Amino acid sequence: DTAVSQTPKYLVTQMGNDKSIKCEQNLGHDTMYWYKQDSKKFLKIMFSYNNKELIINETVPNRFSPKSPDKAHLNLHINSLELGDSAVYFCASSHQPPNYGYTFGSGTRLTVV
Amino acid sequence: DAKTTQPNSMESNEEEPVHLPCNHSTISGTDYIHWYRQLPSQGPEYVIHGLTSNVNNRMASLAIAEDRKSSTLILHRATLRDAAVYYCILRGGTDKLIFGTGTRLQVFP
Repeated sequence: DTAVSQTPKYLVTQMGNDKSIKCEQNLGHDTMYWYKQDSKKFLKIMFSYNNKELIINETVPNRFSPKSPDKAHLNLHINSLELGDSAVYFCASSHQPPNYGYTFGSGTRLTVV
Repeated sequence: DAKTTQPNSMESNEEEPVHLPCNHSTISGTDYIHWYRQLPSQGPEYVIHGLTSNVNNRMASLAIAEDRKSSTLILHRATLRDAAVYYCILRGGTDKLIFGTGTRLQVFP
């Protein structure tokens, strides 16, 4: 059983398109996250949702819109894709208290051409 | 958010112990020390975490200094599969893991 699953694994698309990445966790965690890893391998948090409510939004362009239909799902929709959006996007989940570890998905490699 | 400092890279031979250091001199009393690793082409993987006492699990041990300003992740017998980037991160009240550049561990046969 995959704990945090993301789809698709790879996504190649043209500039200007709109795309979505889906994430689901079956761990019963109450908090979910999106992280972006750029070409220099630097991992940066984008969003965090706790029980379907947005709690962290790290000054990400408003072309990026997360949506959490329930606490087991956190999807990421990206409008008007730009070349600079090319990166690996990781979904993660955890319980909120700081004495819990995160579980990460295997990532979605987005390439904008 | 309190920051951590780690060496950029370390090397080890297979089946030898590895001690990965981390400095976190500005740690607050409620910050937990978390370690994650990222194998090539994979997502980050939780390794271990602790608050004040040393911790052991099936993957590694975490030794925390008495003043909590530094910690060491110990891999007791490195394998080729342990080659990865290891991140030391403080998790406190802001509820977000802030990744630094980590330590790239190379393991030689």
